[in-house]
Amino acid sequence: SQTIHQWPATLVQPVGSPLSLECTVEGTSNPNLYWYRQAAGRGLQLLFYSVGIGQISSEVPQNLSASRPQDRQFILSSKKLLLSDSGFYLCAWKSSTDTQYFGPGTRLTVL
Amino acid sequence: AQSVTQLGSHVSVSEGALVLLRCNYSSSVPPYLFWYVQYPNQGLQLLLKYTTGATLVKGINGFEAEFKKSETSFHLTKPSAHMSDAAEYFCAVSDQAWGGNMLTFGGGTRLMVKP
Repeated sequence: SQTIHQWPATLVQPVGSPLSLECTVEGTSNPNLYWYRQAAGRGLQLLFYSVGIGQISSEVPQNLSASRPQDRQFILSSKKLLLSDSGFYLCAWKSSTDTQYFGPGTRLTVL
Repeated sequence: AQSVTQLGSHVSVSEGALVLLRCNYSSSVPPYLFWYVQYPNQGLQLLLKYTTGATLVKGINGFEAEFKKSETSFHLTKPSAHMSDAAEYFCAVSDQAWGGNMLTFGGGTRLMVKP
């Protein structure tokens, strides 16, 4: 069966510091992968998606970036965090039946 | 462009009462529709989905939803609420025009269950 992992689970970072969040999927090959963000009191915002290694599409311009160095690994990064980057970050993968399955999330607090 | 509207950001019901969470969508092509549930500080868990075929879809935890094309709706129901149903619920639509790659989510509905 497929599983999706995210780490770290929680992170507290100062403004201006770098960021790296990791997502890995097991039990499937060449999945579509997605990064979403939930800001406090708001819905889900799609940040990036990837249909394959090295292929990244950005939905919202901001100071975040994403990379997919391996088939089942998706990384969200920033060189300098802003206060507005605080939120709950969710990674998801899409199955062959067009269903997205979500990871447990990373709670990021920027102080 | 697709959109999803969830009427009521907060819904409160008594334990044992009917749960009805509303979702309306707009899509230029036949949609795939989803309901997800999110418990505090957790990821989204798939409750149920509609792709094709039977318009009444049954999911986990006793929930079901009915696809009504004429009303562009996909409301989520459960006959009898349990305390454990308290969570946030998201409706989403997948646009098949783009090969099903993208999900558009509604703003979410927080369900509160009173004892």
